[in-house]
Amino acid sequence: DSGVTQTPKHLITATGQRVTLRCSPRSGDLSVYWYQQSLDQGLQFLIQYYNGEERAKGNILERFSAQQFPDLHSELNLSSLELGDSALYFCASSVLAGGGDTQYFGPGTRLTVL
Amino acid sequence: EDKVVQSPLSLVVHEGDTVTLNCSYEVTNFRSLLWYKQEKKAPTFLFMLTSSGIEKKSGRLSSILDKKELFSILNITATQTGDSAVYLCAVSGNTGKLIFGQGTTLQVKP
Repeated sequence: DSGVTQTPKHLITATGQRVTLRCSPRSGDLSVYWYQQSLDQGLQFLIQYYNGEERAKGNILERFSAQQFPDLHSELNLSSLELGDSALYFCASSVLAGGGDTQYFGPGTRLTVL
Repeated sequence: EDKVVQSPLSLVVHEGDTVTLNCSYEVTNFRSLLWYKQEKKAPTFLFMLTSSGIEKKSGRLSSILDKKELFSILNITATQTGDSAVYLCAVSGNTGKLIFGQGTTLQVKP
């Protein structure tokens, strides 16, 4: 158990819908990262927050957004869902904002869009 | 463009064999290289390497980094069926984001 928690574990929804994925980082970690893992793309970085502020952005679609709250938990919002958004979404956390720090991954949320 | 390439993509061995997994990378302002093990769920942290030539060990697993040649290897000795998994290599630059390789799928047969 990495100490990073994610809810829900599974989510099944229809195209065009909106969902929210939640992540709580390890105690003491200020940085939260979101990654998407699909069969054809592997693990891809989406976005990073550090102590409530957006720190770095990857190839995140405009339909996706995220935020980190004062208690440091983070939410990833996915809207106007398409079949291709079906994937595993992981949250990771670390103490520091920059590179050179270990990231610990949560158990993931498996999103299925029908 | 930052990238990580792992080889081989898949490997089948028998229990007791020794395996070497390879990871080469190109990243701007390299800060660290990390190895993870993934077994149908979340990636589990194995090692983080930041300096060349210093071997990190944990039981039967070890890893080393060569910053001049831009690669790392992960060795697993006396493999067991429980070592069957996807092994992921990732690098970070100045930002915290990790750039992952495609992974090496290891199958250890009894």
